[in-house]
Amino acid sequence: DVQMTQSPSYLAASPGESVFISCKASKSISNYLAWYQQKPGEANKLLIYSGSTLQSGTPSRFSGSGSGTDFTLTIRNLEPEDFAVYYCQQYYEKPLTFGSGTKLEIK
Amino acid sequence: EVQLVESGGGLVQPGRSLKLSCAASGFTFSNYYMAWVRQAPKKGLEWVATISTSGSRTYYPDSVKGRFTISRDNAKSSLYLQMNSLKSEDTATYYCAPHRTHPGWFAYWGQGTLVTVSS
Repeated sequence: DVQMTQSPSYLAASPGESVFISCKASKSISNYLAWYQQKPGEANKLLIYSGSTLQSGTPSRFSGSGSGTDFTLTIRNLEPEDFAVYYCQQYYEKPLTFGSGTKLEIK
Repeated sequence: EVQLVESGGGLVQPGRSLKLSCAASGFTFSNYYMAWVRQAPKKGLEWVATISTSGSRTYYPDSVKGRFTISRDNAKSSLYLQMNSLKSEDTATYYCAPHRTHPGWFAYWGQGTLVTVSS
Protein backbone atom coordinates (compact mmCIF):
# COMPACT_ATOMS: atom_id res chain seq x y z
CA ASP A 1 0.00 0.00 0.00
CA VAL A 2 1.11 3.58 -0.64
CA GLN A 3 1.69 5.33 2.68
CA MET A 4 0.90 9.04 2.76
CA THR A 5 2.74 11.10 5.37
CA GLN A 6 1.44 14.57 6.11
CA SER A 7 3.25 17.27 8.04
CA PRO A 8 2.85 19.10 10.23
CA SER A 9 0.01 17.50 12.17
CA TYR A 10 -0.89 20.86 13.71
CA LEU A 11 -0.30 24.32 12.41
CA ALA A 12 -1.21 27.63 14.01
CA ALA A 13 -1.39 30.75 11.88
CA SER A 14 -3.09 34.13 11.76
CA PRO A 15 -5.50 35.44 9.14
CA GLY A 16 -3.57 37.01 6.28
CA GLU A 17 -0.59 34.70 6.64
CA SER A 18 0.44 31.93 4.24
CA VAL A 19 0.83 28.28 5.22
CA PHE A 20 2.34 25.23 3.61
CA ILE A 21 1.21 21.65 4.23
CA SER A 22 3.39 18.78 3.08
CA CYS A 23 2.29 15.35 1.87
CA LYS A 24 4.84 12.66 1.07
CA ALA A 25 4.09 9.36 -0.65
CA SER A 26 6.02 6.16 0.08
CA LYS A 27 6.47 5.61 -3.65
CA SER A 28 6.05 7.71 -6.75
CA ILE A 29 2.38 8.46 -7.46
CA SER A 30 2.97 10.80 -10.43
CA ASN A 31 0.41 13.58 -9.87
CA TYR A 32 -2.42 11.34 -8.69
CA LEU A 33 -3.04 13.36 -5.56
CA ALA A 34 -6.07 15.16 -4.14
CA TRP A 35 -6.49 17.56 -1.23
CA TYR A 36 -9.60 17.86 0.95
CA GLN A 37 -10.84 20.27 3.59
CA GLN A 38 -12.82 19.02 6.58
CA LYS A 39 -14.83 21.22 8.93
CA PRO A 40 -17.10 20.15 11.80
CA GLY A 41 -20.72 19.83 10.75
CA GLU A 42 -19.95 20.23 7.06
CA ALA A 43 -19.41 17.78 4.23
CA ASN A 44 -15.78 17.24 3.26
CA LYS A 45 -14.76 19.42 0.38
CA LEU A 46 -12.49 18.52 -2.52
CA LEU A 47 -10.03 21.38 -3.03
CA ILE A 48 -7.51 20.11 -5.55
CA TYR A 49 -7.01 17.05 -7.74
CA SER A 50 -4.25 15.92 -10.09
CA GLY A 51 -1.82 17.52 -7.68
CA SER A 52 -2.49 21.09 -8.77
CA THR A 53 -5.88 21.44 -10.49
CA LEU A 54 -8.33 23.51 -8.48
CA GLN A 55 -11.79 22.00 -8.13
CA SER A 56 -14.54 24.32 -9.30
CA GLY A 57 -15.35 26.71 -6.48
CA THR A 58 -11.99 26.44 -4.72
CA PRO A 59 -10.67 29.95 -4.00
CA SER A 60 -7.52 30.93 -5.87
CA ARG A 61 -5.63 31.46 -2.59
CA PHE A 62 -5.34 27.66 -2.50
CA SER A 63 -2.71 26.01 -4.67
CA GLY A 64 -1.17 22.59 -4.99
CA SER A 65 2.24 21.61 -6.26
CA GLY A 66 4.52 18.62 -6.57
CA SER A 67 4.74 15.29 -8.32
CA GLY A 68 6.30 11.93 -7.70
CA THR A 69 6.55 11.61 -3.93
CA ASP A 70 6.49 15.18 -2.60
CA PHE A 71 3.47 17.46 -2.63
CA THR A 72 2.53 20.75 -1.02
CA LEU A 73 -0.76 22.49 -0.34
CA THR A 74 -0.27 26.25 -0.07
CA ILE A 75 -2.87 28.60 1.34
CA ARG A 76 -2.04 32.28 0.88
CA ASN A 77 -3.64 35.17 2.69
CA LEU A 78 -5.55 32.98 5.14
CA GLU A 79 -9.22 33.75 5.61
CA PRO A 80 -11.15 32.87 8.83
CA GLU A 81 -13.05 30.13 6.99
CA ASP A 82 -9.79 28.33 6.09
CA PHE A 83 -9.17 27.07 9.62
CA ALA A 84 -9.97 23.40 9.29
CA VAL A 85 -8.37 19.98 8.88
CA TYR A 86 -6.72 19.15 5.56
CA TYR A 87 -6.12 15.69 4.10
CA CYS A 88 -4.22 14.46 1.08
CA GLN A 89 -5.23 11.30 -0.80
CA GLN A 90 -3.42 9.25 -3.42
CA TYR A 91 -5.34 7.59 -6.23
CA TYR A 92 -2.37 6.20 -8.15
CA GLU A 93 -3.20 2.68 -7.09
CA LYS A 94 -5.57 0.64 -4.96
CA PRO A 95 -6.11 0.71 -2.05
CA LEU A 96 -6.82 4.41 -1.94
CA THR A 97 -4.96 5.93 0.97
CA PHE A 98 -5.13 9.22 2.84
CA GLY A 99 -2.67 11.24 4.84
CA SER A 100 -3.23 11.52 8.58
CA GLY A 101 -4.40 15.11 8.37
CA THR A 102 -3.19 18.59 9.26
CA LYS A 103 -5.21 20.68 11.67
CA LEU A 104 -4.90 24.38 10.88
CA GLU A 105 -5.76 26.50 13.89
CA ILE A 106 -6.03 30.21 14.47
CA LYS A 107 -3.04 31.65 16.33
CA GLU B 1 -27.12 20.36 -6.19
CA VAL B 2 -25.48 17.08 -5.25
CA GLN B 3 -26.94 15.51 -2.13
CA LEU B 4 -25.72 12.37 -0.40
CA VAL B 5 -27.64 11.28 2.68
CA GLU B 6 -26.30 8.35 4.67
CA SER B 7 -28.43 6.42 7.13
CA GLY B 8 -28.52 3.20 9.10
CA GLY B 9 -25.82 3.88 11.66
CA GLY B 10 -26.19 3.17 15.34
CA LEU B 11 -24.95 1.12 18.27
CA VAL B 12 -24.27 -2.54 17.53
CA GLN B 13 -22.59 -5.31 19.49
CA PRO B 14 -19.33 -6.88 18.34
CA GLY B 15 -19.91 -9.77 15.96
CA ARG B 16 -23.29 -8.46 14.80
CA SER B 17 -24.31 -6.99 11.47
CA LEU B 18 -25.50 -3.61 10.24
CA LYS B 19 -26.52 -2.25 6.84
CA LEU B 20 -25.90 1.33 5.82
CA SER B 21 -27.70 3.19 3.06
CA CYS B 22 -26.91 6.28 1.03
CA ALA B 23 -29.53 8.18 -0.96
CA ALA B 24 -28.03 10.18 -3.80
CA SER B 25 -29.47 13.00 -5.88
CA GLY B 26 -28.34 15.89 -8.04
CA PHE B 27 -26.17 13.85 -10.40
CA THR B 28 -26.51 10.88 -12.72
CA PHE B 29 -25.94 8.15 -10.15
CA SER B 30 -25.54 5.34 -12.66
CA ASN B 31 -22.60 7.12 -14.31
CA TYR B 32 -20.44 7.15 -11.19
CA TYR B 33 -18.48 4.63 -9.24
CA MET B 34 -19.58 4.89 -5.62
CA ALA B 35 -17.53 4.44 -2.47
CA TRP B 36 -17.70 4.29 1.28
CA VAL B 37 -15.02 6.06 3.30
CA ARG B 38 -14.90 5.98 7.09
CA GLN B 39 -13.36 8.02 9.87
CA ALA B 40 -12.81 6.64 13.34
CA PRO B 41 -13.27 9.15 16.18
CA LYS B 42 -10.41 11.66 16.22
CA LYS B 43 -8.70 9.76 13.40
CA GLY B 44 -8.10 10.17 9.69
CA LEU B 45 -9.99 8.98 6.64
CA GLU B 46 -9.95 5.36 5.45
CA TRP B 47 -11.35 4.07 2.17
CA VAL B 48 -13.65 1.11 2.82
CA ALA B 49 -15.24 0.00 -0.47
CA THR B 50 -15.96 0.96 -4.07
CA ILE B 51 -18.48 -0.38 -6.57
CA SER B 52 -18.48 0.08 -10.32
CA THR B 53 -21.23 1.88 -12.21
CA SER B 54 -23.11 -1.30 -13.05
CA GLY B 55 -22.37 -3.00 -9.76
CA SER B 56 -20.48 -5.82 -11.44
CA ARG B 57 -17.15 -5.00 -9.81
CA THR B 58 -16.38 -4.30 -6.17
CA TYR B 59 -13.18 -3.36 -4.41
CA TYR B 60 -12.17 -3.49 -0.74
CA PRO B 61 -9.08 -2.97 1.38
CA ASP B 62 -7.83 -5.97 3.33
CA SER B 63 -9.19 -4.52 6.59
CA VAL B 64 -12.81 -5.21 5.60
CA LYS B 65 -12.56 -7.77 2.78
CA GLY B 66 -14.78 -10.74 3.47
CA ARG B 67 -16.82 -8.89 6.11
CA PHE B 68 -18.25 -5.90 4.23
CA THR B 69 -20.29 -5.96 1.01
CA ILE B 70 -21.02 -2.88 -1.07
CA SER B 71 -24.02 -2.84 -3.41
CA ARG B 72 -26.11 -0.35 -5.34
CA ASP B 73 -29.54 0.11 -6.87
CA ASN B 74 -29.26 2.46 -9.83
CA ALA B 75 -33.05 2.63 -10.22
CA LYS B 76 -33.28 4.08 -6.72
CA SER B 77 -30.00 6.05 -6.84
CA SER B 78 -29.02 4.28 -3.66
CA LEU B 79 -25.83 2.78 -2.29
CA TYR B 80 -25.54 0.22 0.48
CA LEU B 81 -22.91 -1.25 2.78
CA GLN B 82 -23.62 -4.54 4.50
CA MET B 83 -21.27 -4.91 7.44
CA ASN B 84 -20.92 -8.31 9.08
CA SER B 85 -18.81 -9.62 11.96
CA LEU B 86 -18.36 -6.10 13.23
CA LYS B 87 -15.38 -5.28 15.42
CA SER B 88 -14.72 -2.41 17.80
CA GLU B 89 -12.23 -1.02 15.29
CA ASP B 90 -15.08 -0.57 12.80
CA THR B 91 -16.44 2.22 15.01
CA ALA B 92 -16.45 5.27 12.76
CA THR B 93 -18.47 7.76 10.81
CA TYR B 94 -19.19 6.29 7.39
CA TYR B 95 -19.41 8.58 4.37
CA CYS B 96 -20.60 7.77 0.88
CA ALA B 97 -18.90 9.47 -2.04
CA PRO B 98 -19.12 9.23 -5.83
CA HIS B 99 -16.06 9.08 -8.03
CA ARG B 100 -15.65 9.04 -11.78
CA THR B 101 -13.09 6.30 -11.89
CA HIS B 102 -11.46 3.85 -9.54
CA PRO B 103 -8.96 4.69 -8.36
CA GLY B 104 -9.99 8.33 -8.27
CA TRP B 105 -10.72 11.33 -6.13
CA PHE B 106 -13.99 12.15 -4.37
CA ALA B 107 -15.68 15.28 -5.65
CA TYR B 108 -18.61 15.11 -3.25
CA TRP B 109 -19.20 13.73 0.22
CA GLY B 110 -22.19 13.08 2.41
CA GLN B 111 -22.46 14.17 6.05
CA GLY B 112 -21.91 10.64 7.28
CA THR B 113 -23.59 8.18 9.62
CA LEU B 114 -22.01 7.06 12.88
CA VAL B 115 -21.52 3.38 13.62
CA THR B 116 -20.53 2.42 17.15
CA VAL B 117 -19.49 -1.17 17.82
CA SER B 118 -19.57 -1.85 21.52
CA SER B 119 -20.99 -4.31 24.01
